[in-house]
Amino acid sequence: EDKVVQSPLSLVVHEGDTVTLNCSYEVTNFRSLLWYKQEKKAPTFLFMLTSSGIEKKSGRLSSILDKKELSSILNITATQTGDSAIYLCAARNSGGGADGLTFGKGTHLIIQP
Amino acid sequence: SAVISQKPSRDICQRGTSLTIQCQVDSQVTMMFWYRQQPGQSLTLIATANQGSEATYESGFVIDKFPISRPNLTFSTLTVSNMSPEDSSIYLCSVGPGTGEVAKNIQYFGAGTRLSVL
Repeated sequence: EDKVVQSPLSLVVHEGDTVTLNCSYEVTNFRSLLWYKQEKKAPTFLFMLTSSGIEKKSGRLSSILDKKELSSILNITATQTGDSAIYLCAARNSGGGADGLTFGKGTHLIIQP
Repeated sequence: SAVISQKPSRDICQRGTSLTIQCQVDSQVTMMFWYRQQPGQSLTLIATANQGSEATYESGFVIDKFPISRPNLTFSTLTVSNMSPEDSSIYLCSVGPGTGEVAKNIQYFGAGTRLSVL
């Protein structure tokens, strides 16, 4: 059974700090890994990673995939209160059956002013 | 990204009743999915809504409990049938725009429906 594990489950930091969120996966026929930010109900797409070692960057957020270690990290630099959210990691396989994603439980990030 | 309208945004229902959730996309999409997010939990895929044919359900979910329709490439409904308090959850519609691997790999989510069953 496919599994995605995120750590930490929750994290409280001060504005301006840098945070690193972790995601590890066990997925049959792994195809891609996605990061989402969930503030209220709807997760919003951040990154999709398919190749190992290539950093994806968007403003203060960046992410990288390590296929050897079956893991990914999401970095947020110079955090702001608006970064407070649940960050979800999801992995997709390329096998048969459903084409949805397997999600981790998320990291609940709280940025204190 | 596709614009996804999901309704209702929230509802409070009585035990034993059914609720149908609608998902409308502003463009034709290949893939549409329905997820559930129970309190404090991550998203769990219920089923893939297939246009013109029966939905593909994940383990633990059955058509009698969660009937799904997808009459065209822009619209789908999920019904939560014979509800019990354990069905209280956020239900999310997700779409994979584009075709092929792009559609499968990048999913965008609707705003969700928060369901409370008394």
